[in-house]
Amino acid sequence: KNEVEQSPQNLTAQEGEFITINCSYSVGISALHWLQQHPGGGIVSLFMLSSGKKKHGRLIATINIQEKHSSLHITASHPRDSAVYICAVKQGAQKLVFGQGTRLTINP
Amino acid sequence: DSGVTQTPKHLITATGQRVTLRCSPRSGDLSVYWYQQSLDQGLQFLIHYYNGEERAKGNILERFSAQQFPDLHSELNLSSLELGDSALYFCASSVNEVTEAFFGQGTRLTVV
Repeated sequence: KNEVEQSPQNLTAQEGEFITINCSYSVGISALHWLQQHPGGGIVSLFMLSSGKKKHGRLIATINIQEKHSSLHITASHPRDSAVYICAVKQGAQKLVFGQGTRLTINP
Repeated sequence: DSGVTQTPKHLITATGQRVTLRCSPRSGDLSVYWYQQSLDQGLQFLIHYYNGEERAKGNILERFSAQQFPDLHSELNLSSLELGDSALYFCASSVNEVTEAFFGQGTRLTVV
């Protein structure tokens, strides 16, 4: 069993839909990251959070430390949101452990 | 643009060869991390440097080595290359070990 599990692995939706991607982890963490990877391969850091909720534009990330679970929400989804979304947990000060990613496709 | 620069963007080389990947962190960032992303393994942590010192090692092969120089740029050296080393190699940097890390665009290595 992976230390970081994401669901779903693949998600296809229509433009405008509300999107939720889930991340569960089984280890103690100091922080959790949500990353976005576009088809060209580049990785963009979306959020780093250790408690509660953060919002940036149409993106919202939440974390429940007790339940070891985080969600990434996208409101009013758009085709340009199509990418792979990766959850990563920080163990201690140095190491990031990554989920396998969720491939999101938003159709116009 | 994250401010982290990786060169080269693409590299094609033959088995048995040695290559060097370079990373320039964001201005002011002391921490540099290297990650490997292969098709079958996903993203894996390789190694972390902080202000020139190695701080943590992950799943890094003995054929691979890295260093961080006094100007804080870092190099990842891959030797005796095998087909299975073909992957995207990412560098990330952060101010210190607890702040958010920012990723470079990656170097795509193809071993033929």
